[in-house]
Amino acid sequence: SQQGEEDPQALSIQEGENATMNCSYKTSINNLQWYRQNSGRGLVHLILIRSNEREKHSGRLRVTLDTSKKSSSLLITASRAADTASYFCATDRASSGNMLTFGGGTRLMVKP
Amino acid sequence: EAQVTQNPRYLITVTGKKLTVTCSQNMNHEYMSWYRQDPGLGLRQIYYSMNVEVTDKGDVPEGYKVSRKEKRNFPLILESPSPNQTSLYFCASRSVVGELFFGEGSRLTVL
Repeated sequence: SQQGEEDPQALSIQEGENATMNCSYKTSINNLQWYRQNSGRGLVHLILIRSNEREKHSGRLRVTLDTSKKSSSLLITASRAADTASYFCATDRASSGNMLTFGGGTRLMVKP
Repeated sequence: EAQVTQNPRYLITVTGKKLTVTCSQNMNHEYMSWYRQDPGLGLRQIYYSMNVEVTDKGDVPEGYKVSRKEKRNFPLILESPSPNQTSLYFCASRSVVGELFFGEGSRLTVL
């Protein structure tokens, strides 16, 4: 079963706009991670946020984590056509040993 | 260059013909895992290994086997493939920090 669920499933924006993707999960976590996948390629790690952190930045990426609501958001600022990809959240559950469970992903299209 | 290498990248086979997808990592990671990705179902973990000779089932282990005889290699074995194992497969290794490094994927079609 999927621990994380992304919202929206698909998002289409213009270049230069900000893109926000959300992830909800069900059980306590050690950390939450975001990954990017270009069509048919391997996933690439973007950012990891631990359960005791609330916000993290990396370049144009900003991730927030609200453990009380069991949710996270990924914000991509000033989007570019090259940001077009699928984005996945993954949770490292406190009860799962070493299993990292992925959500269904958000397909982002950035139009030039 | 740090990488996870999978082979083959593409494979078409027939039902019942045993196949192995190899996976190798050069980062000295202890933890490795296999995922399958299917439309509408996301990534699901098949098996994982926390170290040499230690393997555990993930969410969808049926029909698959793995082995971990050395730290760098973690092959996925389909003893008798069936059409429902047609999928895109990813091998990954995990750093001590917790991030996964993925291979480029192996697209398998079972006729």
